Amino acid sequence: RKEVEQDPGPFNVPEGATVAFNCTYSNSASQSFFWYRQDCRKEPKLLMSVYSSGNEDGRFTAQLNRASQYISLLIRDSKLSDSATYLCVVISNTNAGKSTFGDGTTLTVKP
Amino acid sequence: NAGVTQTPKFQVLKTGQSMTLQCAQDMNHNSMYWYRQDPGMGLRLIYYSASEGTTDKGEVPNGYNVSRLNKREFSLRLESAAPSQTSVYFCASRRDYTVASGGGDTQYFGPGTRLTVL
Repeated sequence: RKEVEQDPGPFNVPEGATVAFNCTYSNSASQSFFWYRQDCRKEPKLLMSVYSSGNEDGRFTAQLNRASQYISLLIRDSKLSDSATYLCVVISNTNAGKSTFGDGTTLTVKP
Repeated sequence: NAGVTQTPKFQVLKTGQSMTLQCAQDMNHNSMYWYRQDPGMGLRLIYYSASEGTTDKGEVPNGYNVSRLNKREFSLRLESAAPSQTSVYFCASRRDYTVASGGGDTQYFGPGTRLTVL
């Protein structure tokens, strides 16, 4: 079983839709969580950190559920420019602080 | 601030050739990383350097060597390239690797090197 698992999608949604991605992690010692965005053939860029209390940045909301060991990303009012691959990243204090990336979830927003 | 820079951007090698991928960061970060990303797949850690003077193996180190030349630079060497090493290689840096330091430091990535081994 992979340490970090994501539904690969693709998720195809119309503009204005709300879409949610989940990411599960297997290491209960995981401590820090992030969502990165990767556009086609480009480098990943930080979208947002995920805090225990949940956090929101404009149309994006990230949540952490430690009991069930998953994090989620909710995108409201999807824009064409949201089309990308979204990577879940987990850092564990038993892994020398190394980041473990999920394989990504691909989102395509259509007009 | 250029952030993380990588050279070259593209490279084609023949099987058995060697080459070194260069990476530099100007953010005074302690930790640096090399990843590879195969088509349709996630990032896999090849090697990392938690701080200047140290390097450690990641998930897929076979066929690669690294050098942390100084705090700014971290190079990846392919001694004898194989077609299985065809991939996009990303370098990344982070202020500090230890979770005790907060663990939440953002990783910044370079633009990648697209390598094809024939």
